[in-house]
Amino acid sequence: KAGVTQTPRYLIKTRGQQVTLSCSPISGHRSVSWYQQTPGQGLQFLFEYFSETQRNKGNFPGRFSGRQFSNSRSEMNVSTLELGDSALYLCASSPQRGGETQYFGPGTRLLVL
Amino acid sequence: DQQVKQNSPSLSVQEGRISILNCDYTNSMFDYFLWYKKYPAEGPTFLISISSIKDKNEDGRFTVFLNKSAKHLSLHIVPSQPGDSAVYFCAARAGGSYIPTFGRGTSLIVHP
Repeated sequence: KAGVTQTPRYLIKTRGQQVTLSCSPISGHRSVSWYQQTPGQGLQFLFEYFSETQRNKGNFPGRFSGRQFSNSRSEMNVSTLELGDSALYLCASSPQRGGETQYFGPGTRLLVL
Repeated sequence: DQQVKQNSPSLSVQEGRISILNCDYTNSMFDYFLWYKKYPAEGPTFLISISSIKDKNEDGRFTVFLNKSAKHLSLHIVPSQPGDSAVYFCAARAGGSYIPTFGRGTSLIVHP
């Protein structure tokens, strides 16, 4: 069974631009969560989607948004990029909400210049 | 306000010895705890978990201990192997919440 895939793996943007990251969960998994990992803050929860609906949102500004499609694939968008948005963005999927574990993708490394 | 703290950013251990990674939490509502391992350029992978109704859970070389009164948990790896070198994240969930809160991670280096 294929794991969680994220595209692109690396991205360089400049301040003020916007970016869209994509996540394909493991087949059959319906829950997708997004995390931001930075050296100073560790993994911080961004949002969780289940059945195309956002179920939880972390403490991030409205510039961060996401969505989930009917095939469970998810995208997250960051508008008006800031230097501080440079981070590794991780997507995780699980079969249902509150599953025993989440399965993480390799992440998208975003660098904002 | 960090609710899950891993106070040691790094740990160096000799191959064959025990590695002990520590984690403290402040939220008394946390009732489920997880450890993840992360290699460079890969996402975290689940390692082991423990419910607050237990004080110990073992899986092969990995054992997690939970001390609820101290709000402390630890991951023991015995014996440590060079392939265990990775960043280890402690995470905690509160009852009814599906979202884990992560610590900042501890980088373990196991020397041959």
